[in-house]
Amino acid sequence: EIVLAQSPGTLSLSPGERATLSCRASQSVSSTYLAWYQQKPGQAPRLLIYGASSRATGIPDRFSGSGSGADFTLTISRLEPEDVAVYYCQHYGNSPPEHTFGQGTKLEIK
Amino acid sequence: QVQLVQSGAEVKKPGASVKVSCKASGYTFTSDQMHWVRQAPGQGLEWMGIINPSSGSTTYAQKLQGRVTMTRDTSTSTVYMVLNSLRSEDTAVYYCAKGLIVAVAWGQGTLVTVSS
Repeated sequence: EIVLAQSPGTLSLSPGERATLSCRASQSVSSTYLAWYQQKPGQAPRLLIYGASSRATGIPDRFSGSGSGADFTLTISRLEPEDVAVYYCQHYGNSPPEHTFGQGTKLEIK
Repeated sequence: QVQLVQSGAEVKKPGASVKVSCKASGYTFTSDQMHWVRQAPGQGLEWMGIINPSSGSTTYAQKLQGRVTMTRDTSTSTVYMVLNSLRSEDTAVYYCAKGLIVAVAWGQGTLVTVSS
């Protein structure tokens, strides 16, 4: 079973700064099956990044994903107040099909 | 556009069962899989299982095996999730989410509260 560990637990930055969120898998995974979601307070999660680095429809280019093997990163350049949310990485395992989520990184804007 | 509309909040007693529905629109219902994900208060996301609306085949999270059942009704484009033998730790918001490798669209969530 794949375990995803996200760091840091909480990130507090100022508007305009760059945020770097980490997701580490317990073993090497295919980047095809690594995604990132944003969950704003009181809302359902929203898909941000799929295939480790492809932005979902309507996602601003301030959001970017990278990584391979067991280490993946979500970068948010030029933070805006609306980016306050919890960010989750997720892995899809296909035999049998199952999803695993990281524990989340809470992003605060000072 | 894709819409997933879930049933309303539920309050159940320990030991009871709950049935949550998720009605899909804006796409061909049988063309994509549907997940169920839950989130306990103040906690992270927990994957519960997946159903193929075309075949009805299901895969459940090991932790919930034997307590959860997912079904679908193709005539109404609706998927259902039943959770039995409820306990306090099942108190959570339950989401349906469309997709296989990634969840590209989510329902609004259904709060299930288990309390005596």
